[in-house]
This record gives sequence, structure tokens and C-alpha cells, in this order.
Amino acid sequence: DAGVIQSPRHEVTEMGQEVTLRCKPISGHDYLFWYRQTMMRGLELLIYFNNNVPIDDSGMPEDRFSAKMPNASFSTLKIQPSEPRDSAVYFCASSLALGVSNQPQHFGDGTRLSIL
Amino acid sequence: GENVEQHPSTLSVQEGDSAVIKCTYSDSASNYFPWYKQELGKGPQLIIDIRSNVGEKKDQRIAVTLNKTAKHFSLHITETQPEDSAVYFCAAKGATGKLIFGQGTTLQVKP
Repeated sequence: DAGVIQSPRHEVTEMGQEVTLRCKPISGHDYLFWYRQTMMRGLELLIYFNNNVPIDDSGMPEDRFSAKMPNASFSTLKIQPSEPRDSAVYFCASSLALGVSNQPQHFGDGTRLSIL
Repeated sequence: GENVEQHPSTLSVQEGDSAVIKCTYSDSASNYFPWYKQELGKGPQLIIDIRSNVGEKKDQRIAVTLNKTAKHFSLHITETQPEDSAVYFCAAKGATGKLIFGQGTTLQVKP
């Protein structure tokens, strides 16, 4: 089975540029999560969607960050304009449900973002 | 707010020995506790999870225990092998429904 697919795997760009990260969740999963991982702060949840609708974006650090999920098989995380402190590994994860069934989250292999 | 503390941050064991990683959570409403293994250049992979109505769960060489009263849960790996070397994360699902992750433990298994 195909897992969560993220692209690109690596991105290097100069500050001020727009960055778009992409994610394809596991087919049939109705929850999608965007995380950021840094040495200092560990794994942080940025935003999550249920059935393509953003549910909680309280982890999005600034207005420079935005996320969309136009359909059940695709999501984007956009940073505009990018800054050096945005350098991190960004993960996308998906799951079947958040409720009492406690379905596990499945992670992609991430996008390593470097802002120069 | 919700918080998960994980210890130790690094752990080095000899091949064949056991490894134990411990986590403490703050939200008493937490009811789901997964453990993830992250290898270099990869995303976290679920290795085992436990729900709050269970005290212990085993899967071959790995086991997880949960003490709800003390708000502690632990990962036990027996007969460690070099391929167990990785970063391990605990997490707890709190009242908000979101997973709160620990800071990670880097496990090194020496052959």
C-alpha cells in the first residue's frame, strides 16, 4: 500500500521566496495533519484537516503560513515570504479518525526545507 | 497546557541488552499513547500503541506499559539489535484530540 507521499523531499531557497510543500494522504483517510520538526522544538502540530476542512490551525506560527486541502487526496502548505527561521523538516500525516477509535497517524518521509 | 516529558534523551546499550524509555504526561484526560520510531531521513513510524483501558501491551520484542494514576508510560525493547538504533518518540492524545509528542530518545545499540 502506498503511504503518505510528500514532495519535494528537499527544498533550498532564498529568504523572501514562496515555498509550497505538497502532500498526498493515504487513500480513505479523512484526517490530514501538518507537522514541523526542529531540534529546538521537536515535533509541532501546525494544522489539521477533517474531510478537507481545516479544524485547528492554532499551531500555524504566523500569517506567512497557509494550508489548503482542495480535495481528499491533496494538501499544500505554503510559506510566503519564507524566512531562515522557517528551516525545518515538515511532515504530513494522515489517519482514519481522531475519535474514540484512536486510529494511528501515518507519517510521510517529510520535506527538508532550508531557507538561506 | 498539555505536555509530554520523555527520558532519557540519549540511550546507549550493548546488543542483546534491554532498553527502556519513559514518558510522563500532564493531561489526565489523555487516553491514547502511541510510540514512534524515526530513522535518519525518514518520517516517524508507529511501532506500538496503547489505550487507557489497558495496562500493558506486547508485540514480539517491544512492550509498552501504562500507569494512569502516575501518568507514566514506558517503552521496553528486549534483546536489542543494531537495527533498533533510531530516535524514538512517545506521544499522548489529550482532551483536544491532538497528539502531543515527547522530545525524543536517540537509541544507539552497539554491536
